[in-house]
Amino acid sequence: NAGVTQTPKFQVLKTGQSMTLQCAQDMNHNSMYWYRQDPGMGLRLIYYSASEGTTDKGEVPNGYNVSRLNKREFSLRLESAAPSQTSVYFCASSEAGTVDTQYFGPGTRLTVL
Amino acid sequence: RKEVEQDPGPFNVPEGATVAFNCTYSNSASQSFFWYRQDCRKEPKLLMSVYSSGNEDGRFTAQLNRASQYISLLIRDSKLSDSATYLCVVESWGGYQKVTFGIGTKLQVIP
Repeated sequence: NAGVTQTPKFQVLKTGQSMTLQCAQDMNHNSMYWYRQDPGMGLRLIYYSASEGTTDKGEVPNGYNVSRLNKREFSLRLESAAPSQTSVYFCASSEAGTVDTQYFGPGTRLTVL
Repeated sequence: RKEVEQDPGPFNVPEGATVAFNCTYSNSASQSFFWYRQDCRKEPKLLMSVYSSGNEDGRFTAQLNRASQYISLLIRDSKLSDSATYLCVVESWGGYQKVTFGIGTKLQVIP
């Protein structure tokens, strides 16, 4: 039981490049989330998916797109990376859509030059 | 005013000491409260939920003061392994779920 896995762990991009962050969970959770964490700021929700086939914007969705491929997988895509997207990205999943049932992946450290 | 405010610290305390952190929130309609722990360069993990009646888990005690809109975390007999950043999390429901994370308070327990 791996919990929540994310790939890659680290990535360096140049401005304008695109990439997809992958996330998978093996806990049969319905809800999945993408957060970003920046110094001096709390985790901020980018997008979430309450169930397979649905996605909704969070607090900071601009510059990102998501795909809920199936119940296990939720990917985050940066179409044209900007330096402001340099951050640590965490994927999470939740059994009941509540904070106390939320489990986080190990994170992806992204640097955009 | 930020929705959730925490003193970022760091709080440097000797082993065995008692330390307390507070977290204030601005939305009086907030309904659920939590403390998460985040080790350096790792993912956040749920430490404990905070109930209206307060709750205790071993050396950790969490309390909620709705009148003054703050939650607290008390750690007794600090261990070196308690060194981490403690995140305050507030959940509210107003037609949709909103979860707000504080910036965290860094604790360093010194031998």
